[in-house]
Amino acid sequence: QKEVEQNSGPLSVPEGAIASLNCTYSDRGSQSFFWYRQYSGKSPELIMFIYSNGDKEDGRFTAQLNKASQYVSLLIRDSQPSDSATYLCAVIGSGGSNYKLTFGKGTLLTVNP
Amino acid sequence: GAVVSQHPSWVICKSGTSVKIECRSLDFQATTMFWYRQFPKQSLMLMATSNEGSKATYEQGVEKDKFLINHASLTLSTLTVTSAHPEDSSFYICSAQPRTSGRGEQYFGPGTRLTVT
Repeated sequence: QKEVEQNSGPLSVPEGAIASLNCTYSDRGSQSFFWYRQYSGKSPELIMFIYSNGDKEDGRFTAQLNKASQYVSLLIRDSQPSDSATYLCAVIGSGGSNYKLTFGKGTLLTVNP
Repeated sequence: GAVVSQHPSWVICKSGTSVKIECRSLDFQATTMFWYRQFPKQSLMLMATSNEGSKATYEQGVEKDKFLINHASLTLSTLTVTSAHPEDSSFYICSAQPRTSGRGEQYFGPGTRLTVT
């Protein structure tokens, strides 16, 4: 069974700090990795995707992928109170004809002013 | 770009009635759309995958005769909750996968909050 694991949190950081969110996955053949942000009562919003080993930066967000360790992370620099949300790691695994996402349970991030 | 809309955003219906939810990709064509359900403080649960012009594929435990899915075009999928009961009250969210997607990213609609009384 393909699994995606995240610390449920809550992860609490002060405003301006770096928030580090981690995710591991069980399917070694997984090819695509996504980070979604979900505010309470809202639907998920795609914020980052990464396919190759290494780092990918987009503004204050950096996604890191290490396929050998089956590990993907999201760093949020200069965290703002508006970043307070649940962050969902999602993976598209190997096999199958549809690109179904397997989600982790999410990490609740709280950024304190 | 990559905007997905859902209608209605919320609906209240009486037990035993049916409710239809529309999901539209506004600025791209979607070969595949997905329907999820989320209960308060719980994870997203995939209900079904729909491909344009073919029958939906339902996840284990999801009643296909209760949750009717139609993917009539590359920009529209509908979910009909038939004979709704209070336990069907939930947050229903669709997502769409761009036809040109090479890696499977999905864009979510804003969700429909269903309350069955």
